[in-house]
Amino acid sequence: AQSVTQLDSHVSVSEGTPVLLRCNYSSSYSPSLFWYVQHPNKGLQLLLKYTSAATLVKGINGFEAEFKKSETSFHLTKPSAHMSDAAEYFCVVKDNAGNMLTFGGGTRLMVKP
Amino acid sequence: GAVVSQHPSWVICKSGTSVKIECRSLDFQATTMFWYRQFPKQSLMLMATSNEGSKATYEQGVEKDKFLINHASLTLSTLTVTSAHPEDSSFYICSAPFQGGRFRSDTQYFGPGTRLTVL
Repeated sequence: AQSVTQLDSHVSVSEGTPVLLRCNYSSSYSPSLFWYVQHPNKGLQLLLKYTSAATLVKGINGFEAEFKKSETSFHLTKPSAHMSDAAEYFCVVKDNAGNMLTFGGGTRLMVKP
Repeated sequence: GAVVSQHPSWVICKSGTSVKIECRSLDFQATTMFWYRQFPKQSLMLMATSNEGSKATYEQGVEKDKFLINHASLTLSTLTVTSAHPEDSSFYICSAPFQGGRFRSDTQYFGPGTRLTVL
């Protein structure tokens, strides 16, 4: 069985400051891990993915995440928040035995001017 | 990149009617598609796996007779909510796996979602 825990349901940062969205996972297999973003009234968009290659993964829009197996974590970071980053972010784990995705509860990122 | 569309984007219906939601992979073929529902301010919950040419696989607690899934072709899966009731009001999202594009290996691409409101 696999599960994903996003440690913060809401994160608020000021524009231009760093962003940290935390994610811990558990999986019986070597997992693939993803971060998706969902803007209001928009579909889910893939930010980045980890599939057992480099542990530091760079995604779109300046986001990156580091896979730490010892900590079972896959935290999402960005050096400088932009107003357009305000959205809901989901950490997702995929069982490599199949296509099933398990979603975390989501973190709502708010960016203050 | 891969595109997944859904139709309609928003539907309002009366209690007791049936509603069909379409999920299409626009520029790639998908033998498997997934259906999720998302309640307000909550995460996505997998409802079922749609398999082209065979029966769908439903997650525990999802009523097969209420949520009918048909994977008619390699680019189309439909979800029919039968005899809809207000508690079925939700945001329904489909996804399909695709290999290639920016992220190269197998990645799920999501449709924009369908908002169902049952009066």
